[in-house]
Amino acid sequence: GEDVEQSLFLSVREGDSSVINCTYTDSSSTYLYWYKQEPGAGLQLLTYIFSNMDMKQDQRLTVLLNKKDKHLSLRIADTQTGDSAIYFCAERNDYKLSFGAGTTVTVRA
Amino acid sequence: DAGVTQSPTHLIKTRGQHVTLRCSPISGHKSVSWYQQVLGQGPQFIFQYYEKEERGRGNFPDRFSARQFPNYSSELNVNALLLGDSALYLCASSLESFVDNEKLFFGSGTQLSVL
Repeated sequence: GEDVEQSLFLSVREGDSSVINCTYTDSSSTYLYWYKQEPGAGLQLLTYIFSNMDMKQDQRLTVLLNKKDKHLSLRIADTQTGDSAIYFCAERNDYKLSFGAGTTVTVRA
Repeated sequence: DAGVTQSPTHLIKTRGQHVTLRCSPISGHKSVSWYQQVLGQGPQFIFQYYEKEERGRGNFPDRFSARQFPNYSSELNVNALLLGDSALYLCASSLESFVDNEKLFFGSGTQLSVL
């Protein structure tokens, strides 16, 4: 299957941590990606993880993967106003990506 | 280094017309993929081209076609435009055919409005 699901909205206070959740359905080994989209812009690759890993950290970003539940999360530490954007989770199936609908993150002062 | 570049950035067409969108991949990248992003949704895969050959096609009608040139740039063509074709069309490139731990890099897109 190629269904990727995400919660649609997240509001977070500046300086707090943001956690964006995603579930996927493909049972085969694959890569899972997080992209960021700001208004009027394309997709910016943030990070990715292979499905045999549990965690990956890259500066303020931490990706956690629960393979049993097919659950992926992206944690952004010390959230800033510049982190306000839509975040997409995607799983790779062969040569293509299947995206979720995106989570709109709003950072409030 | 330039990223993935797309032209035009915005386009307005009327129903029944034809449109051509253009994409230049990152220098050295041999694969180009096209995605359609309707407002409020995630991108949907349309095509992948690698070394000038179509490697994959998503669930889109035959009105959608594409090609890749010897310099690895690409065109997406849509015939007989429908109102529902209004979307952001994203081009992405990867070094090879997007296998193993390769990354996929996206351009800023072409916003197509069909009236």
